[in-house]
Amino acid sequence: DAMVIQNPRYQVTQFGKPVTLSCSQTLNHNVMYWYQQKSSQAPKLLFHYYDKDFNNEADTPDNFQSRRPNTSFCFLDIRSPGLGDAAMYLCATSRTRGTEAFFGQGTRLTVV
Amino acid sequence: GESVGLHLPTLSVQEGDNSIINCAYSNSASDYFIWYKQESGKGPQFIIDIRSNMDKRQGQRVTVLLNKTVKHLSLQIAATQPGDSAVYFCAETERTDKLIFGTGTRLQVFP
Repeated sequence: DAMVIQNPRYQVTQFGKPVTLSCSQTLNHNVMYWYQQKSSQAPKLLFHYYDKDFNNEADTPDNFQSRRPNTSFCFLDIRSPGLGDAAMYLCATSRTRGTEAFFGQGTRLTVV
Repeated sequence: GESVGLHLPTLSVQEGDNSIINCAYSNSASDYFIWYKQESGKGPQFIIDIRSNMDKRQGQRVTVLLNKTVKHLSLQIAATQPGDSAVYFCAETERTDKLIFGTGTRLQVFP
């Protein structure tokens, strides 16, 4: 059974139209991550939560925001998607610092 | 900073041979390392991990070696199978929550 679930698997959005990607977990893990992965590149960390503490990477554009209303759910909001934001977005969780991270299957975002 | 690359290095091996995938990490404070396998269109899948107080760890058909002196990590896959074809990433974390990925390697297994 999937432990980290991302919805939808595929998302098409219009240029400049806000879009939200969702992630849920059944593991009750403290840490949740959002990564952006472009073709033939490594996943790039956008931000992560340790419980409710939000940690933004210095080079994450302001266009990207996140919400974690409870332990199980985390959302990635892209306020005004540009063509360069087309990518696979990966959510991951880990129990605590320095432990295995479990990934969802990703959401592939297309911007038209 | 992040390791990025537009062209993944590729390792081609014959089925049944052993594969060795290498990774150089940059942060000498990193104390936990993970190897992930990623198949096309899927999320990364955990293979094996190692902490900085170890230099070798073995799993089923896989071995991870850590050389802290030169900041190098390797993944050895014994008797490589077609199902091992994928992109392999190393990831590192120091005493924080951040899990940072290195540049991946594409493994191609041919009969």
